[in-house]
Amino acid sequence: DQQVKQNSPSLSVQEGRISILNCDYTNSMFDYFLWYKKYPAEGPTFLISISSIKDKNEDGRFTVFLNKSAKHLSLHIVPSQPGDSAVYFCAASDTGGFKTIFGAGTRLFVKA
Amino acid sequence: DAMVIQNPRYQVTQFGKPVTLSCSQTLNHNVMYWYQQKSSQAPKLLFHYYDKDFNNEADTPDNFQSRRPNTSFCFLDIRSPGLGDAAMYLCATSSATSGLYEQYFGPGTRLTVT
Repeated sequence: DQQVKQNSPSLSVQEGRISILNCDYTNSMFDYFLWYKKYPAEGPTFLISISSIKDKNEDGRFTVFLNKSAKHLSLHIVPSQPGDSAVYFCAASDTGGFKTIFGAGTRLFVKA
Repeated sequence: DAMVIQNPRYQVTQFGKPVTLSCSQTLNHNVMYWYQQKSSQAPKLLFHYYDKDFNNEADTPDNFQSRRPNTSFCFLDIRSPGLGDAAMYLCATSSATSGLYEQYFGPGTRLTVT
C-alpha cells in the first residue's frame, strides 16, 4: 500500500528550463510534506517543505505546490542547473513528524 | 560541522550471522530513526527513538532490534540476517522541539548478506 507515490522514475530537463517533479498521496491525515534531494553515496538532504494548511512555499529556485483536494504536490525548480541532477524524494508526515512516508524517488537529469 | 555518521559504510555478513550497524550524531537531536531502503524503492521506516522511548513500526520484523545508549548513538541489530535483508540502511535524526519536521540523514550503510 503505497501512501506516497512518485510515478515518474526519471526526468530529463535542459539547463535553464523548469523542472517539475510530481508526487501523489492517499492519506488525507498527512500534516506536512517535504522534499529531499539525494546525491550518489550520500544520504538524503532536506530541500523544502510545506504545511498542509498552505498551498505554496518558495525558497529561491525551489517552489513546492500543494493541492489538497487532488492529494497532489509538486516541486518546481527554476531555472534548472546541472548541479540539480540528483534523486528527489517526496515525503509526507503525520503531526509531529515522527511517522514519515517516502516516495520511491524521481531521478532528475539536468543537461548542460 | 554537525552531522550524522554511519559506520561502516559497507557491511558484509553471512546468512544468519548477527550484525550491528552504528549511527552517531553531533546535532544533539532527541529523535533518531532507522530506515531500510531497497534498490529503487522508498526508504521504509523501521523504528524511531524519541529520547529513550522506542517506537517500533507495526510491520518491522522481530529480527530487527535497536538500542540507543545515549543521545548521540543508536544501533541497529539484525539478529539473523536473511538474503532479503540486503539493503541500504539509513539513520536519521530530528529535533522534536524545533517545530520543524525535517530529518537529517547519514550516508547510509549498505548491507550485503552472503
